This record gives sequence, structure tokens and C-alpha cells, in this order.
Amino acid sequence: AQKITQTQPGMFVQEKEAVTLDCTYDTSDQSYGLFWYKQPSSGEMIFLIYQGSYDEQNATEGRYSLNFQKARKSANLVISASQLGDSAMYFCAMTALSNDYKLSFGAGTTVTVRA
Amino acid sequence: DSGVTQTPKHLITATGQRVTLRCSPRSGDLSVYWYQQSLDQGLQFLIQYYNGEERAKGNILERFSAQQFPDLHSELNLSSLELGDSALYFCASSVGGTGNGYTFGSGTRLTVV
Repeated sequence: AQKITQTQPGMFVQEKEAVTLDCTYDTSDQSYGLFWYKQPSSGEMIFLIYQGSYDEQNATEGRYSLNFQKARKSANLVISASQLGDSAMYFCAMTALSNDYKLSFGAGTTVTVRA
Repeated sequence: DSGVTQTPKHLITATGQRVTLRCSPRSGDLSVYWYQQSLDQGLQFLIQYYNGEERAKGNILERFSAQQFPDLHSELNLSSLELGDSALYFCASSVGGTGNGYTFGSGTRLTVV
């Protein structure tokens, strides 16, 4: 079974600064996928970034980058140059073959960006 | 717009009632997944359909059922509703069953009173 751990329930960050959201995972699968989603107060789930377990390069999407450390089983999300609109809940999730590729989610981290 | 359409967006109903939540996947996506997000349980996988067939089952109660129709839209039926069923219900779709390319709908917020 897969397990995702997000140890930071909430974080504050100053506008224009970078913030790192922690995510560790546990799986015995060799092939798996790691995701980050953003959920603003309006409720929708917005896909941010994806990292495959065999990808050698860390994934980047605009201001989002995923710091993938396979040996440590961590997949931290870095948001650079934070904006007020980044205030939201952020979820780390993973899929794996042994779990029929369904998403397993962490508990989430609430990010509040201060002006 | 993610391309995944969920209706209705909000639903308020009484205990003991039955409701149907509807999901139209993104064009070309064969897999549909249902998730429940509640305050105490977080995001939980309920059930997956792939091209009309049930593919995987998660923590779905017996009072809940789902199906995927030939046009690939899916419905989640919740019956004998209890207060604890109040939650945000998400539908997601992907091209295949491998999970990459998951796209979520905007969710249906169910309130049971």
C-alpha cells in the first residue's frame, strides 16, 4: 500500500519569497507517479506538477518545481516568487501499479501568502 | 475549465434521501475516478471505471454505487444518506488507467441535513 506524509499542516510565506512544501512517500513499487495539487478556497483541485519515478530530471512547471529525492522517498514542492493567489491547500499524491494507479493523497498543507 | 464536468455543484438534501452525482470526463478519457473529501477523512478514493467496466474499488460504502455509461459519463448514486456523508465529491478522468494525466472536475458539495 502507498502512504503519503505531509508533516506541515500550515505555513505562512511572504509575498515574492519561495516556499518549500514537504512530502514523503512510502511504496514498494518501482514504477510510480508523484503529483502535487492545489485546492483554493473555492474547492476545485488544480493539477500543478507530475514526477515519474524513472524521470531523472526534477519536474518544473513555471514557478513550481518538484525536488525529487528517490533514495529519501521525498517529493517536495517548491513555489518560487509566491503570490497572494498561491494561498491555498496543497496536496501531495501518488499512483502506483500495485494500487491500480489510483491516487493516494497526503493530508495537505495550507499555505497563506502575506503581502 | 478542466474539461471534466460535474453536476450539480451544490446539493442539500435530508437524511435518508438518495442523490445522484454526475460526471462527464474530458474528451478522449476512458477512465473515471470518484473521490470523497471530508473534514475528518481527507481525500478518499471511492471507485474507478475504465471504458464502462468497474476497474478498482476503494472505501466505498454499500449504500453508494456508481456506473459508467456507453458515452463514458459516470454517475455516483448515494442512498440512505447520513449526516456523515456530507462532503465534497470529486470526479477525475484520465486517458488510460495509469493515472498520469489525471484531471479533476470542480466537485459536487453535498450537504446532508
